[in-house]
Amino acid sequence: EPEVTQTPSHQVTQMGQEVILRCVPISNHLYFYWYRQILGQKVEFLVSFYNNEISEKSEIFDDQFSVERPDGSNFTLKIRSTKLEDSAMYFCASSDGDRLNEQYFGPGTRLTVT
Amino acid sequence: GNSVTQMEGPVTLSEEAFLTINCTYTATGYPSLFWYVQYPGEGLQLLLKATKADDKGSNKGFEATYRKETTSFHLEKGSVQVSDSAVYFCALTPFSGGYNKLIFGAGTRLAVHP
Repeated sequence: EPEVTQTPSHQVTQMGQEVILRCVPISNHLYFYWYRQILGQKVEFLVSFYNNEISEKSEIFDDQFSVERPDGSNFTLKIRSTKLEDSAMYFCASSDGDRLNEQYFGPGTRLTVT
Repeated sequence: GNSVTQMEGPVTLSEEAFLTINCTYTATGYPSLFWYVQYPGEGLQLLLKATKADDKGSNKGFEATYRKETTSFHLEKGSVQVSDSAVYFCALTPFSGGYNKLIFGAGTRLAVHP
């Protein structure tokens, strides 16, 4: 069964450093998403991406965040200058955009900012 | 706006007990409704879904019925197992199809004891 994969599973970085979180969505999917979950809190939408551009972004997704689909298979989330409060689990998801809009999630990348 | 409210956890049950996790929603249109499950140390997995009023989603013995009149989508299972211990998230997407963010509830932790 096709699945969404994410790398790395755990990333530790120092405050102020740039990080890139990588995702490989399901191959025939057209819509891509990033969500995050701060420890013990609810899962929050960050951004959706379709046709090589951002479709929607949340208030969390400020200028320090960016997304890219560089090569037709990977989907990346970049945090330019990490803050302590960026520590969270980041989930990538993809969907084929049909009526059911079923989103398939990756296993997540745990980002720890020290 | 769109939002999801879930009953607070943790919910602690003995094996073979009946489970109900309440979920109500607020939405401006005709949302699709979902239950996701997160097992310890893992990502989000879709458990079941419903796209219109009176639809019943079911999977692995879990059921939920889309009730438009009460704006609810309560999760039920007749006989829980220890392996059902996880965090359960109720979620909605505001529209059908296309790019469409998931809006999650806070999650309900279920602990099932032998």
